[in-house]
Amino acid sequence: NAGVTQTPKFRVLKTGQSMTLLCAQDMNHEYMYWYRQDPGMGLRLIHYSVGEGTTAKGEVPDGYNVSRLKKQNFLLGLESAAPSQTSVYFCASSSDISRTQYFGPGTRLLVL
Amino acid sequence: DQQVKQNSPSLSVQEGRISILNCDYTNSMFDYFLWYKKYPAEGPTFLISISSIKDKNEDGRFTVFLNKSAKHLSLHIVPSQPGDSAVYFCAANNAGNMLTFGGGTRLMVKP
Repeated sequence: NAGVTQTPKFRVLKTGQSMTLLCAQDMNHEYMYWYRQDPGMGLRLIHYSVGEGTTAKGEVPDGYNVSRLKKQNFLLGLESAAPSQTSVYFCASSSDISRTQYFGPGTRLLVL
Repeated sequence: DQQVKQNSPSLSVQEGRISILNCDYTNSMFDYFLWYKKYPAEGPTFLISISSIKDKNEDGRFTVFLNKSAKHLSLHIVPSQPGDSAVYFCAANNAGNMLTFGGGTRLMVKP
């Protein structure tokens, strides 16, 4: 049982480059989330999805876009990377919006 | 406005002793509280939760206490083990709403 997986694990980008982070879950969860973790700031919600084909903004959505074309996948895109987007990105899923979330292993992104 | 705060960024404890991690919240509507544990280079993993209808929940060495009047919860780990060294996040919400996470506390358990 893989749970929540994320690809890639690590990536270095130059300012202005674009990339997509992929999250996949095999628990048939309706809800999926993208967070970023920065030192001392905990986990901040970027975007989330309450089901296939739906997305919504979280606390820090600027500079990111998301898509949920399939129930098991949630993609996070950076169209024009900035150094301020250097962070560790976590994907999570849950069966209910307000209860236990299950996290992937994270993607470490460095923007130079 | 941080609705969930973990005021201690780090905590160091001797192996075998008790670890107490604290979390304060400001939103009186929160009715569900969780603790997550995170090792380096891994995602957070769910540890224990408590509903606002309880004031204590135990799971093995881990106990969470909730003081609603003080808007405070704590995680007790007894006895602490070196493998408990990690970052601990508390989180809270109310039905139908997102989890709000605290900033985390790094626990170091010395052998």
